[in-house]
Amino acid sequence: DAGVIQSPRHEVTEMGQEVTLRCKPISGHDYLFWYRQTMMRGLELLIYFNNNVPIDDSGMPEDRFSAKMPNASFSTLKIQPSEPRDSAVYFCASSSGGLLTDTQYFGPGTRLTVL
Amino acid sequence: EDKVVQSPLSLVVHEGDTVTLNCSYEVTNFRSLLWYKQEKKAPTFLFMLTSSGIEKKSGRLSSILDKKELFSILNITATQTGDSAIYLCAVEGGSEKLVFGKGTKLTVNP
Repeated sequence: DAGVIQSPRHEVTEMGQEVTLRCKPISGHDYLFWYRQTMMRGLELLIYFNNNVPIDDSGMPEDRFSAKMPNASFSTLKIQPSEPRDSAVYFCASSSGGLLTDTQYFGPGTRLTVL
Repeated sequence: EDKVVQSPLSLVVHEGDTVTLNCSYEVTNFRSLLWYKQEKKAPTFLFMLTSSGIEKKSGRLSSILDKKELFSILNITATQTGDSAIYLCAVEGGSEKLVFGKGTKLTVNP
């Protein structure tokens, strides 16, 4: 099993540019989560999907952030326009039982730097 | 607002020492508390706790939850250098929201 796959692993961009982060969950998992990790705020849940439908997006910081899951094997997190304060590591995770499951599998993360 | 506080923020010990990491929380409609270990990559799951007083154990690691006092501890006995990591505590409260603490950075020196 390849685990959760994220791309790119690192991205450096300039303020104002659009950034798209990609995630492929583990096959058969029906929950997908997007997290952001910073030194200041720790690990935060941004949004999660169940069966490709967004369930709770209250963690999304502002309208510049959007997430989609067009099918069961792919999700994107988009930031437009990006700002320096968006610099963080963004994790995607998937599970087969939602937040109550004890097996939420994390991807390797995307380290985003916005200059 | 739901809150998870971990202490200490950082801990340095020698191999063989026993450590106790703390996690206190304030959440509405508590459902579960989870512990993760994070090295130079994504967090990996350690334990999920839902009931008070029942210890969960995995090798040298163990954890217990106190729902009355609203905290959990993670114990690591006979620490090894491979235990060096950030240990994250997360709590699921009302509206199925998972709230993470900022973590405890453990460094185990040889």
